[in-house]
This record gives sequence, C-alpha cells and structure tokens, in this order.
Amino acid sequence: AQTVTQSQPEMSVQEAETVTLSCTYDTSESDYYLFWYKQPPSRQMILVIRQEAYKQQNATENRFSVNFQKAAKSFSLKISDSQLGDAAMYFCAYRSPRDDKIIFGKGTRLHILP
Amino acid sequence: NAGVTQTPKFRILKIGQSMTLQCAQDMNHNYMYWYRQDPGMGLKLIYYSVGAGITDKGEVPNGYNVSRSTTEDFPLRLELAAPSQTSVYFCASRIRTEAFFGQGTRLTVV
Repeated sequence: AQTVTQSQPEMSVQEAETVTLSCTYDTSESDYYLFWYKQPPSRQMILVIRQEAYKQQNATENRFSVNFQKAAKSFSLKISDSQLGDAAMYFCAYRSPRDDKIIFGKGTRLHILP
Repeated sequence: NAGVTQTPKFRILKIGQSMTLQCAQDMNHNYMYWYRQDPGMGLKLIYYSVGAGITDKGEVPNGYNVSRSTTEDFPLRLELAAPSQTSVYFCASRIRTEAFFGQGTRLTVV
C-alpha cells in the first residue's frame, strides 16, 4: 500500500523568505500523481501544485515550486517570498492511477512570522 | 457551478444515533471521495467511488456506509454513532488529475 510521510509537523519562516516543506512517499508504481494542498483556517482544501510522475520537469506555480526526485521518492514544496496569507496546513498527497485512491500525509503547519 | 456541496456544515449527534452526510457535485465528475480529518491530523480515506453504482473501501471504512445511485450524489451514512467518529468530514470529486473538495462537515458525537 502506498504511504505518504511528512516529517515536519510545524515550520516557521520569516515573511519574504523562502521555505521548503518535505514529503516522501512509498510506492511500487512507476506512474502516479503527486499534489500539494493548502488548508487555511477556513478549512477549505485548496490545490497548490501538482506533478505527474512521468514528467521530469519540476512543476511551478508562481511562488510555489516542487523538487521532484522520483528515484528517492521525494516531493518537496518550495515557497518563495513567503506572505502572511501562506500561513496554513500543507498536505502532500499521492494518487495511484491503478485504484484511483488519493492518499494524504499528516500535514505540516506553516507559520509566517511578520 | 456550485462545485462540491456538503450538508450539514455542523452536527452534534448522541451516541448510538444515525445520520447521513450529504455530498453533491454539479461538475459531472465520475470520481468521488469521503475523508475524515481528526484534529491535527491528515485526511484518511473512508470510501470512494469511480462512478455511479460503484463504491470501494478506503483506509478507515468501519462504521460507515455509502451509496452512489447518481453521478451527482455520494452520501455517507453513519450507523450507531460513536465518540471515535467525532471528526471533520470532507467530500471530494475528480474528473481528471486533482480532486476538488467541499467545505467539510464538523461532526461531534457526545
């Protein structure tokens, strides 16, 4: 069974600085999808970025980018120029194309220090 | 489009009562999911469906039942509620890559 591990329960970063959130996963599949979701205090789950495993190029969405290391089964999220509105829980997620399940990590709570 | 709509937003149940959490989506998505999120934890998959008439168990299905009679609706049934089912429940739907989430139902069993 696939698992997703986020080893940092909480992190803090100074406003305007850069922070990297870690995620590792375990799978025997070669094709799959990875996601980062943001959950602000409103509780809404918001997609931040996605990566298809067959693509070697790392995904980027404005200030958010990933470092996808397929061999190491690592999928970290980098947030540049951190803003107060980035404060939230961040979840890493894995989707298998074989059984369509979407599995989440336990999350990292990100604090932005003004 | 309203997206994914969950009702109710909040509910308090007594131990042993039953209830149905409603989830509806108007995006014609084939795939739908139910998750629970315990305080400070990630989302655990309860049940999911790949289309009308097809459902399958996730990581934590015990104590829950689902049905998928239409593409739009995916209700989650709690029979004989227990305090361990106190949680926030999220419904999600998907057609291609990523899932879209409802705003959640906060359920307390006392």
